[in-house]
This record gives sequence, C-alpha cells and structure tokens, in this order.
Amino acid sequence: GAGVSQSPSNKVTEKGKDVELRCDPISGHTALYWYRQSLGQGLEFLIYFQGNSAPDKSGLPSDRFSAERTGGSVSTLTIQRTQQEDSAVYLCASSLFAGSLAGELFFGEGSRLTVL
Amino acid sequence: AQKVTQAQTEISVVEKEDVTLDCVYETRDTTYYLFWYKQPPSGELVFLIRRNSFDEQNEISGRYSWNFQKSTSSFNFTITASQVVDSAVYFCALSEARGKIIFGKGTRLHILP
Repeated sequence: GAGVSQSPSNKVTEKGKDVELRCDPISGHTALYWYRQSLGQGLEFLIYFQGNSAPDKSGLPSDRFSAERTGGSVSTLTIQRTQQEDSAVYLCASSLFAGSLAGELFFGEGSRLTVL
Repeated sequence: AQKVTQAQTEISVVEKEDVTLDCVYETRDTTYYLFWYKQPPSGELVFLIRRNSFDEQNEISGRYSWNFQKSTSSFNFTITASQVVDSAVYFCALSEARGKIIFGKGTRLHILP
C-alpha cells in the first residue's frame, strides 16, 4: 500500500504480558516516529529513527519499552510486562526527510492497545 | 528544551464565527519547523501546514490562516467563517534540527450549528 501500515489494529492483552506493535513506513521515507495517544489526550513522543543514526529514545517512558528499525524500513515497538497505564493508541509516522529538512508526517491508523 | 504549549484545551463557537487557536513554542535552535495537524472524530491525523523558522510571512489557505511571530514564539491558527466540519482536535508541533518532532496537547474545537 501507499500509506503507513500498522499492525495489529487492535490488541487486548493481560497485565504482565509482552506485546509487539509493527509499523511499515512509506517506502523511501528515512524518518520514522512512534507516538502514544491516551484516550482524549495529546500525542506523546516515544522514539524517532533517522536513517542509520542512533535513534532518539528520549520519550520512552520506562525500560519496559523498546523499539527497533530493521533495514531502515519496518519498525517494531515492544512493551514488556504490560501495565494498565500502557493502554493507549500507538501511532507510527514516517517522513521523507527530517531535521533541517523536516517534512510532513504521514501517520498510520494506529494500534489500539488495551491492557486488562 | 523543546516544548509546545496549546493553552486552550477546548473551544466552542457557533458556526460562521471566526476562531483562533493559540500555539506557543520553546526551542534553543535557530532552525526549526512548526506544523499544524487536524484530528477529526474519525481519528486520522491530517497535515495542515509546515513553516520554517526563517519564513515569518503569514499564510492563508482558503478559510485557514496562520500567524507566525518569532518575537513571541507563537504560531497561531485562525479559521474564518467556521463550519461544523471544522470540529476536530488541532495539534501544533515543533521539529528542531535534530529531527525530533513534539506535539502540543491539542485544542478540541467544537463548531456548533
């Protein structure tokens, strides 16, 4: 497809389980971002990948959260030992350029995570 | 530190009124970009505008206009003659040279018929 693809679209899990959320950015986009949006709230920055540079992990809320981007394309956000406060929509976005050439972010439809 | 403040949590106006959404930012960079995004009830985020720090010209696009003032670190968004379809959450965002993009908490706009 032409847009940013995220899977799963919905995930219900039990407290303490690990979850993986996947993002397939637009082909050729060098920048990839993960955000978290809790119900009725704003977009909370989690992590940012740019090309082969070290990712900016400054937004990850705890060491239970990690993300990787393989081959400069697909990214996986992993949440270990999920807690109820992790329940949110996790949004992935990609951009052709970033930094001094920052461009429009293209967002996926999000992965809605519910931790019971 | 990088910060975006949208002080207006929620605004309600009657259709056809003009409305301005405020955005104040903080950055130590001299090169940066500012954005506005719209999130309608359907949930998808829609890009509205990008402005770089060296371009302080105001911009108008149909009923939408943006006022960028570096002196007050503000990038305000005005909708003229509002319509019910404008009802959404609007986010202001800031990108510094490093590339990290942060968003404000958003302003929920209700346009009443």
